[in-house]
Amino acid sequence: QGQLQESGPGLVKPSETLSLTCTVSGGSISSYYWSWIRQPPGKGLEWIAYIYYSGSTNYNPSLKSRVTISIDTSKNQFSLKLSSVTAADTAVYYCVRGEYDDPRHFDLWGRGTLVTVSS
Amino acid sequence: EIVLTQSPGTLSLSPGERATLSCRASQSVSSNYLAWYQQKPGQAPRLLIYGASSRATGIPDRFSGSGSGTDFTLTISRLEPEDFAVYYCQQYGPYTFGQGTKLEIK
Repeated sequence: QGQLQESGPGLVKPSETLSLTCTVSGGSISSYYWSWIRQPPGKGLEWIAYIYYSGSTNYNPSLKSRVTISIDTSKNQFSLKLSSVTAADTAVYYCVRGEYDDPRHFDLWGRGTLVTVSS
Repeated sequence: EIVLTQSPGTLSLSPGERATLSCRASQSVSSNYLAWYQQKPGQAPRLLIYGASSRATGIPDRFSGSGSGTDFTLTISRLEPEDFAVYYCQQYGPYTFGQGTKLEIK
């Protein structure tokens, strides 16, 4: 079935770059779509970006100018960078898997990591 | 961008009752592209329904999804205590989520 684990700093200063990594265990990173989704405290869900194992990417248009998603298949990891952060980027960030070779929905989620943007 | 509007915002019911949750899209959504998730406090969302009506692996058959076009419904036939949570609909292309329906114990 697999497991996902987010890692990265829990506190980022305004205007800096948020960097997170997701480690995929118990399964292959191949033939899946891998996404980042965030949830501000007490609010709803927002999809940020996905990357296919082959390296093709798709970004939320509202965040595209600040987001980079990448993948390292040799380490079974994928990563997120979000630049020029503000307090509005404070959220729980989830790494998420699409179904096998199917990007339409998300069948496996990490536990999430809270990132706070504050000086 | 397709906007998904869920109603009601909060639904108060008792265990054993039937729950009907609505998700309305601002423009037509392919049924293949509509999913539902359940989220409990402090936990990540869990996939319940995909393709508007197909249950995900391990999801009890008291959960069912229906609908097409702009109107979709998640039905829980007989509420169990563990079903009280927040429910989100999601569409693909690009991805958007509804704002959620909180199902609380009456």
